Amino acid sequence: DAKTTQPNSMESNEEEPVHLPCNHSTISGTDYIHWYRQLPSQGPEYVIHGLTSNVNNRMASLAIAEDRKSSTLILHRATLRDAAVYYCILRDIRGSSQGGKLIFGQGTELSVKP
Amino acid sequence: DSGVTQTPKHLITATGQRVTLRCSPRSGDLSVYWYQQSLDQGLQFLIQYYNGEERAKGNILERFSAQQFPDLHSELNLSSLELGDSALYFCASSPLAGGQGDEQFFGPGTRLTVL
Repeated sequence: DAKTTQPNSMESNEEEPVHLPCNHSTISGTDYIHWYRQLPSQGPEYVIHGLTSNVNNRMASLAIAEDRKSSTLILHRATLRDAAVYYCILRDIRGSSQGGKLIFGQGTELSVKP
Repeated sequence: DSGVTQTPKHLITATGQRVTLRCSPRSGDLSVYWYQQSLDQGLQFLIQYYNGEERAKGNILERFSAQQFPDLHSELNLSSLELGDSALYFCASSPLAGGQGDEQFFGPGTRLTVL
């Protein structure tokens, strides 16, 4: 499985944008980029995913570099509720035949200051 | 609330014992996944079942086994427990077999403490 690298921790102020980086220099052409987050004392939850183009949903935006070797999860206005560990995960596009396992790294622990 | 339920919430037991963790997936989801989260290993995939059959296997110990029943709920059985098995065990479910767009919904977890 291709590896991702994320900073161990980041800090943000409430109501400011947050850019969470992820490096995946060994990404293959069949890998999608997924983001999950884990709020304190909860199970992980899906945030967003993409392949090549930037993606937006109600939770966040995902910006993918042109060479796909890095991506950035963008929270447009951080709230205290966004304090969590954010995981960047690569999943093979052929996942259905190999199952849907998620390989979690260490993630980035985001703290949000009021 | 993800719609995935896990019981029990907490479990305290002794070394050498056997326990069963239970998971009910979201209504209509066919896949169930089990993950283990410990302080030293992080979140690790154990096993996936899809519509009653094993679909993918991770670093699951031989002392651990799982199954998915016809009503799609799943059980994870842990036997000959060791101190190192103390961890949070998460169940997740997804609608299909795990292809793209088949996001996973996680339950609240079962915290297992082995004394």
